[in-house]
Amino acid sequence: GNSVTQMEGPVTLSEEAFLTINCTYTATGYPSLFWYVQYPGEGLQLLLKATKADDKGSNKGFEATYRKETTSFHLEKGSVQVSDSAVYFCAGNTGGFKTIFGAGTRLFVKA
Amino acid sequence: GAVVSQHPSWVICKSGTSVKIECRSLDFQATTMFWYRQFPKQSLMLMATSNEGSKATYEQGVEKDKFLINHASLTLSTLTVTSAHPEDSSFYICSAQEVGGKETQYFGPGTRLLVL
Repeated sequence: GNSVTQMEGPVTLSEEAFLTINCTYTATGYPSLFWYVQYPGEGLQLLLKATKADDKGSNKGFEATYRKETTSFHLEKGSVQVSDSAVYFCAGNTGGFKTIFGAGTRLFVKA
Repeated sequence: GAVVSQHPSWVICKSGTSVKIECRSLDFQATTMFWYRQFPKQSLMLMATSNEGSKATYEQGVEKDKFLINHASLTLSTLTVTSAHPEDSSFYICSAQEVGGKETQYFGPGTRLLVL
């Protein structure tokens, strides 16, 4: 069946470090892919998305490129800030109603 | 745009009582809304899919008589936890999918339920 696998956390970085959170998706077709962010005590916010191969989603300095060959959608940011500390969820949808979520990766950024 | 609200944000209740949680899409119409449950430091568990004007579709293992869902309009879905017990304590999150939208879900801020 469909699944989303993302790297386990927590990830701890110093401010201004480079961030990569890996995500791969297994599906029968080519899904739309998403990254959501959850700040403490809050719901999920859509961070970025890509709907087809080679699309790049970007927002707030975060980027992710939909790689068709590996169905990967790794999240990157060149210089993280303390305010980026949150849980990041990779997710995919093949066009049906259900969105499949990864387990989440907790990011801690130290000043 | 694409704002989803939930009410209440926090609720504490006694065991045996029922609790209603509202999910509203504020600036768009949603034929489909989803209810999730999230345990501490875990991912989201889909409980049910709510379609306007029809019965909700529950995921395997979710008791439909325990978690009543009503999607009365294109902007409102409610989840009622009936006869709540301490094990129902959790963070409940709803999301909404815009009519004609392409897979993107917009999430509410969540409702934290504590059953004493």
